[in-house]
Amino acid sequence: DAKTTQPTSMDCAEGRAANLPCNHSTISGNEYVYWYRQIHSQGPQYIIHGLKNNETNEMASLIITEDRKSSTLILPHATLRDTAVYYCIVRVSSNTGNQFYFGTGTSLTVIP
Amino acid sequence: DAGVIQSPRHEVTEMGQEVTLRCKPISGHNSLFWYRQTMMRGLELLIYFNNNVPIDDSGMPEDRFSAKMPNASFSTLKIQPSEPRDSAVYFCASSLFGLSTDTQYFGPGTRLTVL
Repeated sequence: DAKTTQPTSMDCAEGRAANLPCNHSTISGNEYVYWYRQIHSQGPQYIIHGLKNNETNEMASLIITEDRKSSTLILPHATLRDTAVYYCIVRVSSNTGNQFYFGTGTSLTVIP
Repeated sequence: DAGVIQSPRHEVTEMGQEVTLRCKPISGHNSLFWYRQTMMRGLELLIYFNNNVPIDDSGMPEDRFSAKMPNASFSTLKIQPSEPRDSAVYFCASSLFGLSTDTQYFGPGTRLTVL
């Protein structure tokens, strides 16, 4: 149960902003949205997360719609090293633990 | 901090053999997760522990798979007997549960090939 929907693949020109969309229409009020990326053959790498407000860190920005049913990850100036699979994840919480359900992700290719 | 450590990084074995994968979580983390990644099924959660106790093992494919966490700094995933369809990359991740947000940090993975 991935709980998120993402496009299968996207291209972005080097130096331009990459905008990766994600739908999570069944998200609950206390569930966070997380983004990870996986560069070939490596473990998934944390990028950013948010609940309601937009978030920004040194890697990316996360824009969450007011109804929280979708979000967009923004890489402001994509480089060739940003080529990876990007996963949008809704964290499912319980009293005993939090689980991440990874979907199929978006394969981003940054083009020179 | 060394991050999550997994060993071995690569394992090649023959069908029917026992395989043991090892994981050392980040010091201070109290949750540990085992994932399996294949081309066909993507990244799947197998089992996770909180404070060394298995919480949810519903993702473990069958009785051939078992996982243990004898202490806060060590976990194993064992496959006995192994089969070719177990070939995959196995990731371990750890986090600090109890905060409002708990980011999972992944290890480099163990690439398992069963011949």
